Amino acid sequence: SQTIHQWPATLVQPVGSPLSLECTVEGTSNPNLYWYRQAAGRGLQLLFYSVGIGQISSEVPQNLSASRPQDRQFILSSKKLLLSDSGFYLCAWSSGQSYEQYFGPGTRLTVT
Amino acid sequence: AQSVTQPDIHITVSEGASLELRCNYSYGATPYLFWYVQSPGQGLQLLLKYFSGDTLVQGIKGFEAEFKRSQSSFNLRKPSVHWSDAAEYFCAVGRGGNKLTFGTGTQLKVEL
Repeated sequence: SQTIHQWPATLVQPVGSPLSLECTVEGTSNPNLYWYRQAAGRGLQLLFYSVGIGQISSEVPQNLSASRPQDRQFILSSKKLLLSDSGFYLCAWSSGQSYEQYFGPGTRLTVT
Repeated sequence: AQSVTQPDIHITVSEGASLELRCNYSYGATPYLFWYVQSPGQGLQLLLKYFSGDTLVQGIKGFEAEFKRSQSSFNLRKPSVHWSDAAEYFCAVGRGGNKLTFGTGTQLKVEL
């Protein structure tokens, strides 16, 4: 069966520090991968999605970037965090042409 | 552009009572529709999905949803709510590129 992992689970970082969040998927090949940010009362905002290694599409301009160095690994990064980057970050995957997405447990990021 | 509206931000029901969570979508063609549930601090879990065919779909944990094209709705129902159903519920519609647009969520509180 497929599983999706995210780490760290929680993170507290000062403004201006770098960021690296990791997501890995097991039990499937060539998944579509997604990064979302969730702010209270605002639902889920799609940040990035990827259909293959090195293929990243950005949904909104922001202080963040994403990379996919391996088939089942998706990384969310920032060079300098802003207070507004605080939130709950979720990684998800889907297979092939499916719209059905499966989510990881999330990372709570607090920028101080 | 596709959009999803969940008109109820908060809903409170008594344990054992029936539940209906509303979802309205805007989409030009036959939509792919989903309901997800999120417990505090957790990722999203897929409850059920509609792609085509029977307009009444069954999901996990005793939930069901009915697709009504004439009303552009996909409401989630459960005949008898359990205290463990307290969570946030998200409706989502598929859009191009295997992506989903999410509603802003409905927070369900269950009174014992």
